[in-house]
Amino acid sequence: DTEVTQTPKHLVMGMTNKKSLKCEQHMGHRAMYWYKQKAKKPPELMFVYSYEKLSINESVPSRFSPECPNSSLLNLHLHALQPEDSALYLCASSLGPFNEKLFFGSGTQLSVL
Amino acid sequence: GEDVEQSLFLSVREGDSSVINCTYTDSSSTYLYWYKQEPGAGLQLLTYIFSNMDMKQDQRLTVLLNKKDKHLSLRIADTQTGDSAIYFCAGPLYNQGGKLIFGQGTELSVKP
Repeated sequence: DTEVTQTPKHLVMGMTNKKSLKCEQHMGHRAMYWYKQKAKKPPELMFVYSYEKLSINESVPSRFSPECPNSSLLNLHLHALQPEDSALYLCASSLGPFNEKLFFGSGTQLSVL
Repeated sequence: GEDVEQSLFLSVREGDSSVINCTYTDSSSTYLYWYKQEPGAGLQLLTYIFSNMDMKQDQRLTVLLNKKDKHLSLRIADTQTGDSAIYFCAGPLYNQGGKLIFGQGTELSVKP
């Protein structure tokens, strides 16, 4: 199994809603990442979890809250988002933090109305 | 500053070769990567090269690395319409814990 699975694939939410994005991998990878990507732009790093601990927060607003319940799962909790937060949110994993190759999921396309 | 640069667009005819170029500034990178992103999809690791290599070939893909000029290229032989995508080069910044830095991406358009 070399997949990173993200759900949902699409999400539309209002600015007062609370929602969560989910990511799962069963490759035994110990590093997991959240990236934000605007159309036709490179992905921007948001958070890195290494061995289930948050190791990097790229000054992301607190309306984004990551969680790593175990070594296979990564969540991103969303609350009071702004329209400019509309983007493709990508999860990735690697064997170790920034070690070797990153495997990406297919992303959640988020629209904030 | 430290970054990775790519040209934004490339258009080729089906059957031709495509060459996508990338320049980088962090000379300490041990691996350099090429990712492919099709519309509406995530990034797929296409290939990578270790910094002590000059060339790596994998079927239709050839990666060339010129460490002196800090230049990386990806050649796709016999380009097909299914190769139409955005291609990102990426390398780690070791003075930032190995954080992966992506180029701006090159949009490859393959015309029949």
